[in-house]
Amino acid sequence: EDQVTQSPEALRLQEGESSSLNCSYTVSGLRGLFWYRQDPGKGPEFLFTLYSAGEEKEKERLKATLTKKESFLHITAPKPEDSATYLCAVGLNNNAGNMLTFGGGTRLMVKP
Amino acid sequence: ETGVTQSPTHLIKTRGQQVTLRCSSQSGHNTVSWYQQALGQGPQFIFQYYREEENGRGNFPPRFSGLQFPNYSSELNVNALELDDSALYLCASSPPRGGAFFGQGTRLTVV
Repeated sequence: EDQVTQSPEALRLQEGESSSLNCSYTVSGLRGLFWYRQDPGKGPEFLFTLYSAGEEKEKERLKATLTKKESFLHITAPKPEDSATYLCAVGLNNNAGNMLTFGGGTRLMVKP
Repeated sequence: ETGVTQSPTHLIKTRGQQVTLRCSSQSGHNTVSWYQQALGQGPQFIFQYYREEENGRGNFPPRFSGLQFPNYSSELNVNALELDDSALYLCASSPPRGGAFFGQGTRLTVV
């Protein structure tokens, strides 16, 4: 059965304190690993897609990496506005669009 | 902003009633998916529509149904509402190359 697990469930950081969020997965027929940011009461906001092991993508203070079994979202020198829930999802092989299986998310709180 | 819009933003219904949620996809996106997100959990895939036909379904009963229209807009219908149906319902549209871009969601409360 396809499974996506995120850790930790919650993370408290001081402003400027770098850290990493983990997303481990067991799926057959991976078709992309997706990272989203979600603010309370809003829809997920797309951050990155990774397709193959060794791939890395960066956006401002965020950097996503992918191996064959897990992905990391590295946050460098976070600011309070980075506080949100970060979701990872795997896309499954199908012929149209992407059906995504999500992890439970990591709730990040950055204190000034 | 993704260009995916959902209506209404909030809704309160009584157990046993029926509800219709609407989604307008982003221009150029030919696939639409619906997800249910309970409080504190990740979204769960309900179903997906491509060229007006359902082509994938998650572990949801038949009282969850949908439609996709020629202009790629979509509806999610839920019959015989239960208290556990209270959740944030998310619509996502996908371009041909893949990926999913979400709307702001509809918060459904069943009382």
